[in-house]
Amino acid sequence: AQSVTQLDSQVPVFEEAPVELRCNYSSSVSVYLFWYVQYPNQGLQLLLKYLSGSTLVESINGFEAEFNKSQTSFHLRKPSVHISDTAEYFCAVTPMDSSYKLIFGSGTRLLVRP
Amino acid sequence: DTGVSQDPRHKITKRGQNVTFRCDPISEHNRLYWYRQTLGQGPEFLTYFQNEAQLEKSRLLSDRFSAERPKGSFSTLEIQRTEQGDSAMYLCASSRSGRANNEQFFGPGTRLTVL
Repeated sequence: AQSVTQLDSQVPVFEEAPVELRCNYSSSVSVYLFWYVQYPNQGLQLLLKYLSGSTLVESINGFEAEFNKSQTSFHLRKPSVHISDTAEYFCAVTPMDSSYKLIFGSGTRLLVRP
Repeated sequence: DTGVSQDPRHKITKRGQNVTFRCDPISEHNRLYWYRQTLGQGPEFLTYFQNEAQLEKSRLLSDRFSAERPKGSFSTLEIQRTEQGDSAMYLCASSRSGRANNEQFFGPGTRLTVL
């Protein structure tokens, strides 16, 4: 079985400050890793994913996440946040040998203040 | 790209009533997933279809829940004898053929409130 832990339910940060949203997972099999974002009143959107290769993956809007196998982590970072980054962020995994269902963490609400 | 659509967007019902939700996936996607999201939690997997075949069901899906995808296109999720604990956002997602690295596209969800 798999599980995903997002310890921070809410992260308040000032505009232009750096941010890190933490994600740890547990799995007995290899997994793919994802970050999804949910803006207010919108559906879930894929932000970035790690499948293989370089452990550092980037999104088009400046977010990056690094897969750390030894620490079973996939933390999301951005060096300078904008007001428009205010949203709920979900870390998710899917086992490579299964139905490809997503197992989500409980989410972290990023609140960017001016 | 019309995206994944869900209908209705909101449903308020009384305990004990039956409700049915519809999901229309992206047209070329043959995989369709249902998830449930309660307040303060991430989405939880309920079931998925490969074309019209229902291939996996979560233990969360009690016998009051039934899902169908009769022609491999749209899907319905029915909840019989609703309970207050069924109140949640029901999300549908679709993806192309069964590869884990194919992105799941989510619909806007149906918010169910059971009074």
